[in-house]
Amino acid sequence: AQKVTQAQTEISVVEKEDVTLDCVYETRDTTYYLFWYKQPPSGELVFLIRRNSFDEQNEISGRYSWNFQKSTSSFNFTITASQVVDSAVYFCALSAANYGQNFVFGPGTRLSVLP
Amino acid sequence: EADIYQTPRYLVIGTGKKITLECSQTMGHDKMYWYQQDPGMELHLIHYSYGVNSTEKGDLSSESTVSRIRTEHFPLTLESARPSHTSQYLCASSERRSSYEQYFGPGTRLTVT
Repeated sequence: AQKVTQAQTEISVVEKEDVTLDCVYETRDTTYYLFWYKQPPSGELVFLIRRNSFDEQNEISGRYSWNFQKSTSSFNFTITASQVVDSAVYFCALSAANYGQNFVFGPGTRLSVLP
Repeated sequence: EADIYQTPRYLVIGTGKKITLECSQTMGHDKMYWYQQDPGMELHLIHYSYGVNSTEKGDLSSESTVSRIRTEHFPLTLESARPSHTSQYLCASSERRSSYEQYFGPGTRLTVT
């Protein structure tokens, strides 16, 4: 079975603080892909990153960074020096062949960045 | 920049009406999807398609139907709208392989009164 857990339902931080959003996944597949999406108040989901199960290198893109650890089945997302525009709901997702290559989304974490 | 479009963006309609939510993409993607989501909440896959003439039901049982006559077009139809159908409907598309990200449209916010 495939499952994605985002234990943090809501997080509030003050602008310029760093914040980490947790994502824990379950799959029996050895080949799988992990994704993060951002959903601002406008409602559209914006793709942020894709990572495959064979690439455990961490990635940094501007103020965003991702930490993938297969040993703990986690794919955490850190925003450095948060800004008000980062306020959104963030979804982690898993795709694997055993699920027909469809996505399993986590329940999302609502991030509020206060000025 | 993803090119996937949904119309209408907002729809308020009375109970019992038939409605069709439109979704089109210009990226030539094989796979397309419909998700139902209460604002900011979990996404539920209700339909997907591998390509022309392919339609599959998702995890969440839905009274809606879909069709895929053209690669770029994946409309969703509700024959008789009910208040329980009030939600946001998101359309997405991707390349066929699981390694490819899904690109989402702006969504249709449906309210059934």
